[in-house]
Amino acid sequence: AQSVTQLDSQVPVFEEAPVELRCNYSSSVSVYLFWYVQYPNQGLQLLLKYLSGSTLVKGINGFEAEFNKSQTSFHLRKPSVHISDTAEYFCAVKGGSGGGADGLTFGKGTHLIIQP
Amino acid sequence: ETGVTQTPRHLVMGMTNKKSLKCEQHLGHNAMYWYKQSAKKPLELMFVYNFKEQTENNSVPSRFSPECPNSSHLFLHLHTLQPEDSALYLCASSQDISGGEQFFGPGTRLTVL
Repeated sequence: AQSVTQLDSQVPVFEEAPVELRCNYSSSVSVYLFWYVQYPNQGLQLLLKYLSGSTLVKGINGFEAEFNKSQTSFHLRKPSVHISDTAEYFCAVKGGSGGGADGLTFGKGTHLIIQP
Repeated sequence: ETGVTQTPRHLVMGMTNKKSLKCEQHLGHNAMYWYKQSAKKPLELMFVYNFKEQTENNSVPSRFSPECPNSSHLFLHLHTLQPEDSALYLCASSQDISGGEQFFGPGTRLTVL
C-alpha cells in the first residue's frame, strides 16, 4: 500500500525566513502528488499539485514544490514566510500500487510555526 | 453556497444515539469522499463514491453507513458509536476518481460521549 512520510511534525521558523517542509512517498510508479494546508477549525485547502510535466510546481501564497522521482520526494518550500502561514501542512499522494487507489493517502502533517 | 459544505459543524452524541452527517458539493463534481481526521494520526480515507456508486470502503466498521443519493450529496449515518470515533470528519469532492485535486469541506467535529 501507498505511504507518505512527513519527517517533521513541527517546524518553527522566524518570520521572513525561508522554510522547507519535507515529504517522501513510497511508490516508485507514477503518482499524483499534492500539498494541502489546514488552518485552525477549517478544512483542507490545496496549495499545489504535481500531475505531470515540469518537476517544479508553483502554488498559491508563494509556495512551490519540487518532484524528485529518484528520491521519491516532494518537498514544499517558501522563500520568505509570514505570520499568516502558521498552519498544518499535509502532503498527499494518489495512485501507485496497492489498495486505496481512489482516494488520497496523507502524511501525518507538519505544523509550521512562524515566530516574530 | 459555494464549494463543499458540511452540516452540522459540531455534533455531540451518546453511544446509543443515531445521527447523520451531511455533505453537499456545489462544484458539479462526480466523485465524493469521506475522511476521518483524528488527533496525531494521518487523515484516513473511509469511503469513495463515483457517479453515486460506492467504489471504496476502507475497512470501515458497520456503525458508519454512507449514503450517496446523487452526485451532489453525501451522508454518513452514525449509530452505536464508540468514544474512539470522536474526530473531525471531512467530506471532499473531485471531478471524478481518475485524478486531479480534491476539494474539502470544513468538516464536522464529532464528540462521542
